[in-house]
Amino acid sequence: EVQLVESGGALIQPGGSLRLSCAASGFIVRNNYMTWVRQAPGKGLEWVSVIYSGGGTYYADSVKGRFTISRDNSNNTVYLQMNSLRVEDTAVYYCARGYSSGLEVYPQDWGQGTLVTVS
Amino acid sequence: SYDLTQPPSVSVSPGQTARITCSGDILPKKYAYWYQQKSGQAPVLVIYEDNKRPSGIPERFSGSNSGTMATLTISGAQVEDEGDYYCYSADGSANNREVFGGGTKLTVL
Repeated sequence: EVQLVESGGALIQPGGSLRLSCAASGFIVRNNYMTWVRQAPGKGLEWVSVIYSGGGTYYADSVKGRFTISRDNSNNTVYLQMNSLRVEDTAVYYCARGYSSGLEVYPQDWGQGTLVTVS
Repeated sequence: SYDLTQPPSVSVSPGQTARITCSGDILPKKYAYWYQQKSGQAPVLVIYEDNKRPSGIPERFSGSNSGTMATLTISGAQVEDEGDYYCYSADGSANNREVFGGGTKLTVL
């Protein structure tokens, strides 16, 4: 059974840093596309970042230069390092396993999310 | 940046057909995907690659993509289908980024 468990969310001051973790089970992270998606309180979904099975990483303009996605193959875990946090980064952050259609990478299996509050 | 535009809300009575649209200039070149999100829960993929249904998704959910508009159709909507629906596709840039539509709140009552 595929399972994704996010952790690391917290209340943090603007300008601070935080690292989110996404522990995966039921599949091998390094062989998959892993995505982070966030949702601000009462708002819609926002794509944040993806790491490809080949190691390529991509970011939304809103976080580029501040956030870094990475993975630890030995722990089968994906991370999102968030620096220079802003009030507008406040959101529930979801980790998801993605699939590629050849044209896009789309999230298929989602975790339950972890809340980051910047205040 | 690339935008996917959805109506903020759609309302139908139980048993009626609900249609949620998603417009975007890139849709003729890219697949559309649809996610359902119920209150307090993580999103669930209900349609992928324009019109395919993942395992476990009821047959009343279907999708289409024609020209610059993708449509999610729920035939015979049920009360349990209430929630927010988001379309999703690739950004038109070369940077392998993706984008969600703004979301549509479906009310079935």
